[in-house]
Amino acid sequence: QLVQSEGGLVQPGGSLRLSCEASGFTLRSHNINWVRQAPGKGLEWISSVTVAGIYYESDSVRGRFTISTDNAKNSLYLHLSGLGAEDTAVYYCARFFTGAFDVWGRGAMVTVSP
Amino acid sequence: IQLTQSPSSLSASVGDRVTLTCRASQGINSNLAWYQKKPGKAPKLLIYTASTLQSGVPSRFSGSGSGTDFTLTISSLQPEDFATYYCQHFNSYPWTFGQGTRVEVK
Repeated sequence: QLVQSEGGLVQPGGSLRLSCEASGFTLRSHNINWVRQAPGKGLEWISSVTVAGIYYESDSVRGRFTISTDNAKNSLYLHLSGLGAEDTAVYYCARFFTGAFDVWGRGAMVTVSP
Repeated sequence: IQLTQSPSSLSASVGDRVTLTCRASQGINSNLAWYQKKPGKAPKLLIYTASTLQSGVPSRFSGSGSGTDFTLTISSLQPEDFATYYCQHFNSYPWTFGQGTRVEVK
């Protein structure tokens, strides 16, 4: 399973770190992804980090969100910066395996508001 | 690559056969998955590589298609199936989702 940290309330322009810890498998052996869902909206893929450590991101977060990993903790972190109201969403981490996202975290709510 | 799902929503009854469609803006081979999403819950994988049923998913769910046109069929709708369904492609980055189809109680 994937265990996510809680989200939080952030002021516009602020930063936040979300964590995603793997249990039962080795995180670095899989492509790990972040998906978000804004209130009343659909699912949006925002980033992936491959087994080789290559990072892909959507245009909506490029240059503002980054990913880091801690292999000793079997964890991955999404660093969010330059946050705006449009970033208010539930953020999910998900494992890519055999052609789809088969394991998902429970989600973390991020609210950007003054 | 854009994915267009149709219809955006539909109303159906328990026992109905339901077919959802996902169309890609360019060919994606069979690199498509389907998920079920309920409020407050993480998405649940139903189908991967267009037609492979994920372990533990009831056999009333099935997927078909390749190239640009894909379908998800629920052969006999059950009460727990009322939800929103999303397709997602994995042909090339960005791995976009369709906008979703909401299946509601008739």
